Amino acid sequence: QVQLVQSGAEVKKPGASVKVSCKSSGYSFSSYSVSWVRRAPGQGLEWLGWINVYNGVTRYAQNLQDRVTMTTDTSTNTAYMELRSLRSDDTAVYFCARTTIFTYFDYWGQGTLVTVSS
Amino acid sequence: QSALTQPASVSGSPGQSITISCTGTSSDIGTYNLVSWYQHKPGKAPKLMIYEVSKWPSGVSNRFSGSKSGNTASLTISGLQAEDEADYYCCSYGGSETPVVFGGGTKVTVL
Repeated sequence: QVQLVQSGAEVKKPGASVKVSCKSSGYSFSSYSVSWVRRAPGQGLEWLGWINVYNGVTRYAQNLQDRVTMTTDTSTNTAYMELRSLRSDDTAVYFCARTTIFTYFDYWGQGTLVTVSS
Repeated sequence: QSALTQPASVSGSPGQSITISCTGTSSDIGTYNLVSWYQHKPGKAPKLMIYEVSKWPSGVSNRFSGSKSGNTASLTISGLQAEDEADYYCCSYGGSETPVVFGGGTKVTVL
């Protein structure tokens, strides 16, 4: 069965970076894109960007494109999302999601809580 | 501010039907039949409920149905059950400039 398993919770100080991993199984990793979505406390879902696993092409949300980098390791079927220059309003649960060519997210990771606090 | 507009909350009694609206623009919902809906419960991963406006993923109850008219998409939950209590988000392809746009979310309460 399709599974996406994310890395554990992180606590970071403002200005630091965080890298969250998402290991996929149960499907052909290179046949889909992987998106990252977050939900901050009291807020809604926010799309951060995606990476086409087949060719490595990325697309980031405009408000984050200077601070986020998405990569994959096809040898381990793992996607990564790195967010730099962390601020308190980056505190959120971060999700990875398998993304179809029709831009819907059919399988999701369990979420990774990233807390930014001094 | 979210790109797609949803009501903050909708409520209904068990067995009733409710509809959640999702209003976008001619740049997203109005042009593309690529609207999806997600159910999100606390501490869980979001769950795909509807894709491509009105299609059901495997395993999703047909009590959930989707539709679209002009720039507005809708999710209807029929035969409301306690387990349907959650936050619901619409999502649309927004074109090459803004590929993904989410609604602000609607909290569904079962009375």
